[in-house]
Amino acid sequence: GQNIDQPTEMTATEGAIVQINCTYQTSGFNGLFWYQQHAGEAPTFLSYNVLDGLEEKGRFSSFLSRSKGYSYLLLKELQMKDSASYLCAAVDSNYQLIWGAGTKLIIKP
Amino acid sequence: GAVVSQHPSWVICKSGTSVKIECRSLDFQATTMFWYRQFPKQSLMLMATSNEGSKATYEQGVEKDKFLINHASLTLSTLTVTSAHPEDSSFYICSAGGHSSYNEQFFGPGTRLTVL
Repeated sequence: GQNIDQPTEMTATEGAIVQINCTYQTSGFNGLFWYQQHAGEAPTFLSYNVLDGLEEKGRFSSFLSRSKGYSYLLLKELQMKDSASYLCAAVDSNYQLIWGAGTKLIIKP
Repeated sequence: GAVVSQHPSWVICKSGTSVKIECRSLDFQATTMFWYRQFPKQSLMLMATSNEGSKATYEQGVEKDKFLINHASLTLSTLTVTSAHPEDSSFYICSAGGHSSYNEQFFGPGTRLTVL
């Protein structure tokens, strides 16, 4: 079956760095998305990786290793507004999104 | 960037009534639209995929006669929750694809449905 695993909850300190991991098992692979979702709001796009390596976009970076079925989202210089759920979603061979349950990130002052 | 709107933002209705939710892509043509449901503290659950001009493809366990989807144009899809019951209370989110070269989905702001 297809499966996405990510931690349920993480806590970090304002100004610090946090890495949210995601492992996936899908039938075929056509890329991986990271979305941010604040409580009561719809998800917003953060990144898309389809090739191995690290992609940096401001304070956020996303890494992919296709051979390991692994990705991570790296958040630097954490701000209180980064408190949200972070959703990992892999695209399978049918171009369907397989969603993880999300990681709730709590930022403490 | 691509903008997707949803209407209404929230709705409260009595049990047994039907509720229609609209999803519009405002600045691009969406060949495919997706409808999700999200219960509190849970991830997104795909309900159905709709392609313009054809019948929607429903995920396993989703009743197509209860959740009617119409995708009559490249900018509008509607979800009608028929004979709503309290267990249908949820956050309904649409997304639209087909805008960029990869499969990014652009999400609407969501509709919170409460059935009394």
